Amino acid sequence: KQEVTQIPAALSVPEGENLVLNCSFTDSAIYNLQWFRQDPGKGLTSLLLIQSSQREQTSGRLNASLDKSSGRSTLYIAASQPGDSATYLCAVKGLFYNTDKLIFGTGTRLQVFP
Amino acid sequence: DTAVSQTPKYLVTQMGNDKSIKCEQNLGHDTMYWYKQDSKKFLKIMFSYNNKELIINETVPNRFSPKSPDKAHLNLHINSLELGDSAVYFCASSQFTRQGAGSPLHFGNGTRLTVT
Repeated sequence: KQEVTQIPAALSVPEGENLVLNCSFTDSAIYNLQWFRQDPGKGLTSLLLIQSSQREQTSGRLNASLDKSSGRSTLYIAASQPGDSATYLCAVKGLFYNTDKLIFGTGTRLQVFP
Repeated sequence: DTAVSQTPKYLVTQMGNDKSIKCEQNLGHDTMYWYKQDSKKFLKIMFSYNNKELIINETVPNRFSPKSPDKAHLNLHINSLELGDSAVYFCASSQFTRQGAGSPLHFGNGTRLTVT
């Protein structure tokens, strides 16, 4: 059974810092891994999707890496801003069980203060 | 234009009532989902439809019945509501590009259901 864990559960940093959010999964047989952002009272916004054959994806100040063999992904946020404050969720799509199902982590709640 | 829209945004109702949540996507995706987010913010899939056909039905009480009149709509009807049904329900959609991979999921803003 696939389990997805995110560390830390919460993070508070001053503006301008570079930071890393971690995601680990127990079953390396995945199709892809996706990072989302959730603002309070809102839905999830897709940030980056990494296919199983890829090592990383970049979008602006965000860089996500994937090490499938070790069951890890990191989301790197450069030069953090108060507008980055949100909950960040990672989710994996499994290879051998129902392939249309995303398994979510419990999220990292990020606060960036001015 | 809202890509995935669901209504209502808030729903407060008493135990035993029957309620529906509607979802529509204008992205042209062929797959739609319902997810439940509990009080601890954990997201778990409930149902998935591909081209109006049910492809995922997790262990969800049969009081929950999804209906997909066409591939742009996926509604969720809940009978005999219970206190434990209180949660935020999210609709989402994606395009099934090839076996297993798919495009990124796009989520609606959620429906906060409170059962009293």
